[in-house]
Amino acid sequence: EAAVTQSPRNKVAVTGGKVTLSCNQTNNHNNMYWYRQDTGHGLRLIHYSYGAGSTEKGDIPDGYKASRPSQENFSLILELATPSQTSVYFCASGTGGYEQYFGPGTRLTVL
Amino acid sequence: AQKVTQTQTSISVMEKTTVTMDCVYETQDSSYFLFWYKQTASGEIVFLIRQDSYKKENATVGHYSLNFQKPKSSIGLIITATQIEDSAVYFCAMREGGTGGYKVVFGSGTRLLVSP
Repeated sequence: EAAVTQSPRNKVAVTGGKVTLSCNQTNNHNNMYWYRQDTGHGLRLIHYSYGAGSTEKGDIPDGYKASRPSQENFSLILELATPSQTSVYFCASGTGGYEQYFGPGTRLTVL
Repeated sequence: AQKVTQTQTSISVMEKTTVTMDCVYETQDSSYFLFWYKQTASGEIVFLIRQDSYKKENATVGHYSLNFQKPKSSIGLIITATQIEDSAVYFCAMREGGTGGYKVVFGSGTRLLVSP
């Protein structure tokens, strides 16, 4: 079975609305990450976590919050979604800061 | 700050040939880790291979190998005997080895097209 899952897989939101993207991993990895992927930019780190209860800012955290309530779950929250946040979002898990294992991605469109 | 640059936006090769994808990186750390990932047409991202900066030997996994040139801050990915299914986007990434965290920076990717 897939070790990193994301929900929803597709989401259409309105400007100013709240959006929550969820990620679940069964790898028992301590570290989890949220990235966004835009054409020409590769993967850019938004937030990451070392374990339950911890969240850290990545390179582009503005406009996003994160929550890690348990080892398995890591959420990305857009309190006031904007069209510039239209993107594909990937969650990943990893251990010891080495290779990461990615979820299938969530395509978010903000109208 | 760490930075990873992939200047080749796309490469086309014939099946069963060898291809090299370039990647250069910037870091102030003496210890760091370099990775290559593959993103298929379906969007799936998978880890391929890793090079630890303190290791002199080039990493090899299956038909993937690395050309690690530390003085040039370069980590090339070599795919031998390419197959149609190697067509994908390949990302280079780096993690610094300090205790400040496990942030990983990715390059912008190189699209590989393998033709029969």
